[in-house]
Formats: sequence, C-alpha cells, structure tokens
Amino acid sequence: QKEVEQNSGPLSVPEGAIASLNCTYSDRGSQSFFWYRQYSGKSPELIMSIYSNGDKEDGRFTAQLNKASQYVSLLIRDSQPSDSATYLCAVPPSGGYNKLIFGAGTRLAVHP
Amino acid sequence: EPEVTQTPSHQVTQMGQEVILRCVPISNHLYFYWYRQILGQKVEFLVSFYNNEISEKSEIFDDQFSVERPDGSNFTLKIRSTKLEDSAMYFCASSEAPLGNTIYFGEGSWLTVV
Repeated sequence: QKEVEQNSGPLSVPEGAIASLNCTYSDRGSQSFFWYRQYSGKSPELIMSIYSNGDKEDGRFTAQLNKASQYVSLLIRDSQPSDSATYLCAVPPSGGYNKLIFGAGTRLAVHP
Repeated sequence: EPEVTQTPSHQVTQMGQEVILRCVPISNHLYFYWYRQILGQKVEFLVSFYNNEISEKSEIFDDQFSVERPDGSNFTLKIRSTKLEDSAMYFCASSEAPLGNTIYFGEGSWLTVV
C-alpha cells in the first residue's frame, strides 16, 4: 500500500513568518510531487509541482524534494492570514498509475 | 482561466436512490477523474477515464459506481442504490496528459445521503 504521510497540525505561525510543511512518501519509485491548498469546504487548488531533487521557488512558495529520503516539503515565506488552509501533499505512485495519492493534509493557521 | 465545472454543487438523496453527478472538464484535456472526500478524511481516488474507457479504478469504485462521457463535453459519475456512507464531496478533475501531469479539480459536488 503506497502511503503519503503528513503531520495533521494545526501548524500555527504568526503573520510574516515562514511556514514549513512536510510530507513523506513510501513509494521510492515516485517521480512527481504536488502540493495542493484546500480551504474548508472547497476543492484542492494546485500550488506547486516538483519533479527533481532540490528546491523550486514560485513567489512566496518553495518546494523542496529529497528523493533519497523520500521527503518533500513546502515553505511559505511571509505567511499571510489568507494562507490559512489545509495543505495537501499528493504523489502519483510508480508503475504507470494515472492517479494521485493524497496525504491527510496539514492544517496551517496564520495569526495576525 | 479554464476550469472544471461540476453540477450540482449539493445534492441530498434518500438511501437507495440513484444519483448522477455531472462534470465539464477543461476543453483541451483528455484525461478525466473522479475523487471523493468524506468529511474530515483524505481525498481518495475513485476512477480515471481516457479515450472513452476507464483506465484505472480504485477498490472503492465497485459495481455501484459507473462513469460515462455521454457527449463531447460532459463526464458523469453515477452512483446506484446510494448508501449512507456514500455521503461525501465528489471532485471531478481533468488533465492534459497522464502520469504526473497537473490535475485540475472542479469545485466539487457535496452528496448527502439520508
């Protein structure tokens, strides 16, 4: 059973701080990794994708991937109250499967 | 910006009834999906669809469920003989290509079975 694990939180950070969200995955063959943001009662919204080891930056967001450690993270710089949401890590399993396996998500609360 | 649209946004149905959830994927996308999320739980894959046939399905997607692309734009999920445990948010999604390509989600259809 392929697993994607996240700390459920809540992760509480003050406005302007860096929020660090972590995800581990069990399938060593996975090649692509996605971070989605989900507001309560809403659908997952893609934030970032990452395919190669290292860092990938997009505005205030940085995704970090370490395939050897089977670890992917999302950093949110200058956190804003509007960033308060659940962040979902999603990984397609290896073997040609056309689907995403989601983690349970980490709830982020940014307080003013 | 193109988006995946779903109807209805919320449906209440009696146990044992049939429900059809409808989706219009992004127009140039070729791969279509249904996911569901029971309240407070993970987003779970149900089925993927390509070239007018199911390409993959999860163990959740049993004979109670079916999908169809009845015309060039709509993609539907039918749930027969609904059960209380089918109550969930059902998300339609689409992508241009498979295997890790970006998947875009619709706003969801909230199904309540009473």
